[in-house]
Amino acid sequence: NAGVTQTPKFRVLKTGQSMTLLCAQDMNHEYMYWYRQDPGMGLRLIHYSVGEGTTAKGEVPDGYNVSRLKKQNFLLGLESAAPSQTSVYFCASSPDSRNQPQHFGDGTRLSIL
Amino acid sequence: AQKVTQAQTEISVVEKEDVTLDCVYETRDTTYYLFWYKQPPSGELVFLIRRNSFDEQNEISGRYSWNFQKSTSSFNFTITASQVVDSAVYFCALSDPMDTGRRALTFGSGTRLQVQP
Repeated sequence: NAGVTQTPKFRVLKTGQSMTLLCAQDMNHEYMYWYRQDPGMGLRLIHYSVGEGTTAKGEVPDGYNVSRLKKQNFLLGLESAAPSQTSVYFCASSPDSRNQPQHFGDGTRLSIL
Repeated sequence: AQKVTQAQTEISVVEKEDVTLDCVYETRDTTYYLFWYKQPPSGELVFLIRRNSFDEQNEISGRYSWNFQKSTSSFNFTITASQVVDSAVYFCALSDPMDTGRRALTFGSGTRLQVQP
């Protein structure tokens, strides 16, 4: 029962470095999401995808890019990391039904120095 | 505007006390879904309950109960006889409006519950 798997779990970057966070789900879900969690602010939507080959911006997309080349994978990229992107990143997936809960990965804790 | 407000930032209780976590929401949709998630100290998000807007029956699951009141746009969560293992951050969330097509969630800022032994 893997569900949603995020890689890596922790990472420290220097300002200006780039990296990619990987999210993989094995539930054949259509919808996938990237959120960031900051203290006192709950989770905010960065980007999302409604199916393979599609991506769209959420509420806080600046500084991030995404790709969904395969249905099971959703990648989040930081091209030039900034300290403001220090956060915990959660990937989620859900089936094509509005009343179903989202399934979350365990999160990636990212620190930008 | 789509919004979820959890006004209680942090609550501290002693074990076996009852505690209620408040959630107030705003949405333009007439049909919508509300969720509660638990985030224990280990950091993962655990789904607790889903409630749709056309079902106002309260729900009870063991020591947990939820009170949905559409008239006051509230979806409160009560833990009866709290235990140390209930210590966590609890998030209330609201489904996106139907016309966005996103099916993402709008989260409240969370309530940190500390249960002291």
